[in-house]
Amino acid sequence: EVQLVESGGGLVQPGGSLRLSCVASGFTFNSYEMNWVRQAPGKGLEWVSYISSGSSTIYYADSVQGRFTISRDNAKNSLYLQMNSLRAEDTAFYYCARDGGIYQQFDFWGRGTLVTVSS
Amino acid sequence: DIQMTQSPSSLSASVGDRVTITCRASQSIDTYLNWYQQKPGKAPKLLIYGASRLQSGVPSRFSGSASGTDFTLTISSLQPEDFATYSCQQSYNNPHTFGQGTKLEIK
Repeated sequence: EVQLVESGGGLVQPGGSLRLSCVASGFTFNSYEMNWVRQAPGKGLEWVSYISSGSSTIYYADSVQGRFTISRDNAKNSLYLQMNSLRAEDTAFYYCARDGGIYQQFDFWGRGTLVTVSS
Repeated sequence: DIQMTQSPSSLSASVGDRVTITCRASQSIDTYLNWYQQKPGKAPKLLIYGASRLQSGVPSRFSGSASGTDFTLTISSLQPEDFATYSCQQSYNNPHTFGQGTKLEIK
């Protein structure tokens, strides 16, 4: 069974940092591209970042470019999101999602971890 | 960036109704359009990918279609478990933008 489990969320002050993790199981992690998607409370989904299976290709949303860094450790079946210079508008549930095929659909999602940026 | 305009933003319907939700892309995205269902407090769930391909395990009452830059999600006969928020997503270009969502409520 495919499982994605996020962790690392919490309350942080504006300007602070957090590192999110996503541990994968039930599939060959190093064969799949991965993404982070976020959802502010009561709002729609926003794609945040993408990383290819071998980490050679990385993309970011303009809203996080230069502040967030995506990475992965295939030996540990883990995906990460380092978030620096956090702002109130970064408050959201953060989901990791597997890129599932030629249409780059997100076929499996974790349950999410909540990041709250507030003083 | 490609903009995805989803309509309506909310919809009231009854069990057994046929429901249609539309998503329009700001430019051509071929058939790189995916639909997700999300229930409160839960992660999104993939329903349809490639505009019309049904994800494994998803009931056949869900279907998707495309006409140019207009895409449609249809639920042929609403069931109680279908009341949720539905979002489209284009995966043609980065960033893989989402529509703003359609909240489907019980009438």
